[in-house]
Amino acid sequence: GAVVSQHPSWVICKSGTSVKIECRSLDFQATTMFWYRQFPKQSLMLMATSNEGSKATYEQGVEKDKFLINHASLTLSTLTVTSAHPEDSSFYICSAREARLDAGELFFGEGSRLTVL
Amino acid sequence: GQNIDQPTEMTATEGAIVQINCTYQTSGFNGLFWYQQHAGEAPTFLSYNVLDGLEEKGRFSSFLSRSKGYSYLLLKELQMKDSASYLCAVMGSNYQLIWGAGTKLIIKP
Repeated sequence: GAVVSQHPSWVICKSGTSVKIECRSLDFQATTMFWYRQFPKQSLMLMATSNEGSKATYEQGVEKDKFLINHASLTLSTLTVTSAHPEDSSFYICSAREARLDAGELFFGEGSRLTVL
Repeated sequence: GQNIDQPTEMTATEGAIVQINCTYQTSGFNGLFWYQQHAGEAPTFLSYNVLDGLEEKGRFSSFLSRSKGYSYLLLKELQMKDSASYLCAVMGSNYQLIWGAGTKLIIKP
């Protein structure tokens, strides 16, 4: 099946620094990728929809200046957490959907666990 | 508004059968997904239903009734490794996923 890879799997950073997380579709082209955040014992929360070649669409309550999303190619989307703070510590997951109209399944990355000290 | 309801927690016995229900109200419908998620890991895909009826895949089956806004995930011959959270998600008219809060399934010997 299709594979989505995230990097890094886990990262620890100091408060105030920026962290970039990559999401790659390894064997298919994805015009749309989704970024989620999951806090402990809670469901996945959609943060934004990343569209190749255009600006990302952010969900209500998600700061677009803090969570920068870039989808520069059909196989790569990046999420940058700028000026990270301890409350940004979470599990960040991306998913990708194949670039065809009848594509239904979403393929998920392995997730990236961010810990901000 | 849009919402997806599923039970918070269920308990079942190893070797038995369990059915996890999901009801939804969404604007638009482009399919319903079931995912399994073990603690600390990303969700893994179990099933996708877009037409009414039952889809069987090994020990897992998923059912959909679009007119009733209802789906269930059926797990047979339960194994201890099936202990996980099961997430129901609906793809709305804009192709984004609307997630349920998940059902934590506890399997007892």
